[in-house]
Amino acid sequence: GAGVSQSPSNKVTEKGKDVELRCDPISGHTALYWYRQSLGQGLEFLIYFQGNSAPDKSGLPSDRFSAERTGGSVSTLTIQRTQQEDSAVYLCASSLPSYNSPLHFGNGTRLTVT
Amino acid sequence: SQELEQSPQSLIVQEGKNLTINCTSSKTLYGLYWYKQKYGEGLIFLMMLQKGGEEKSHEKITAKLDEKKQQSSLHITASQPSHAGIYLCGAPNSGGSNYKLTFGKGTLLTVNP
Repeated sequence: GAGVSQSPSNKVTEKGKDVELRCDPISGHTALYWYRQSLGQGLEFLIYFQGNSAPDKSGLPSDRFSAERTGGSVSTLTIQRTQQEDSAVYLCASSLPSYNSPLHFGNGTRLTVT
Repeated sequence: SQELEQSPQSLIVQEGKNLTINCTSSKTLYGLYWYKQKYGEGLIFLMMLQKGGEEKSHEKITAKLDEKKQQSSLHITASQPSHAGIYLCGAPNSGGSNYKLTFGKGTLLTVNP
C-alpha cells in the first residue's frame, strides 16, 4: 500500500520567507509526527497529533513554527520568516494509535534557506 | 532526558563480513526501535524490541536488547552492498509511548563489494 507521502521533496527559499511542508499519512494511521533531521543534531521531535486530541507541540523550536492537521489526515508544517538555521530535512511519520506501534516515515522535505 | 549513544559512528566492511552496531542508553529502555536510512530517503523500520533479553531476526539482521534494558545491538551476518546505509536506534521516553522518540545519531555503514 501507499506509504507516507511528503511534498515538496526539496525546497529552497530565501531567508525571511514563509514555507509550507505537506504530509499525507498512511490511510488508517491516526497518529502523525513531525521530526527534523540536521547535521550534527540527529533527529529531533517537533510535534505529534493523535486523532482529535490536542497536539503535543513541545518540540517546536520557536513560535515561527506551527503545524495543523485537517480532517485527521493531511498535515501541514509552516515555518514563518525562515532563518538559515531552519535548513534541515523535515520528516513526517505516521502510526497506528497503539502506544508501541512503529512509526512509518516519509522521504522527507529537504529545506534549504539561503 | 534520555540519550542514546551509537557505536561505531561509521563502519566500512568487506562484502560477506559480519558486523555489529551498538546502541547504549543513559536510562532504562522502555522499548527500542531500529531503523535504516538511505541518503535522501526516509527511515525504514527494521525491528522493535521491548523485553529484556529479547532477540528478533529478519533475514540476515538480528537485534537484541540486553537483560538490563540499557543496551541494544544490531548484528548483520554476511553483509551485502544492499545493507549499506545509516542505522538509527530510537527509544520512547519513560512509559514506553512511541511518540517523542529519542534517536541516536546513527551509524553509517559502507559495504564494499
